[in-house]
Amino acid sequence: DQQVKQNSPSLSVQEGRISILNCDYTNSMFDYFLWYKKYPAEGPTFLISISSIKDKNEDGRFTVFLNKSAKHLSLHIVPSQPGDSAVYFCAADGSGNTGKLIFGQGTTLQVKP
Amino acid sequence: DGGITQSPKYLFRKEGQNVTLSCEQNLNHDAMYWYRQDPGQGLRLIYYSQIVNDFQKGDIAEGYSVSREKKESFPLTVTSAQKNPTAFYLCASRAGQVAEAFFGQGTRLTVV
Repeated sequence: DQQVKQNSPSLSVQEGRISILNCDYTNSMFDYFLWYKKYPAEGPTFLISISSIKDKNEDGRFTVFLNKSAKHLSLHIVPSQPGDSAVYFCAADGSGNTGKLIFGQGTTLQVKP
Repeated sequence: DGGITQSPKYLFRKEGQNVTLSCEQNLNHDAMYWYRQDPGQGLRLIYYSQIVNDFQKGDIAEGYSVSREKKESFPLTVTSAQKNPTAFYLCASRAGQVAEAFFGQGTRLTVV
């Protein structure tokens, strides 16, 4: 049972344009969400997070939007740069206060120069 | 330098052997996690621990064991009962629930 889903395995955008990565979740108890970026054979690095009491959080070129009623979050990258090419994972926490941190399958972003 | 260290980076194991992956952190984090990454499968949770001497099974714990005797250390043993152990293993630590997780650089385990 996949509680955190990233339904798009890959995304390709042109440099300078907006990249939108999507994530859906099934458990309404999740109350904290995170996005990570990962290069091959390395550990993921943290990008941005959002608490369920907010619907938007912004950090530089990265903005995360949370729609609790739809159980959906998205990561916007504006403007996209070739160095943003990587695999992006969303993660969710808060199910029953266990500290269990669950990740989606990832979306591979390619930013073309 | 504060961080989380996994060793070794590459590990080869013969079928039927147990092997232990090391994970150490000096971030003073209470929570630690083990994930496995397979191509196209994302990060799947094996075990996690929120406090010393306590740990919980994740979604794919079968064939794995852990211990948490010290706050800094959370070793993962891949036993011979794990049917498909070849994968990239990632360890993470976290200060609390409303906090980011920091990851190590991973261990690539190959069964030969």
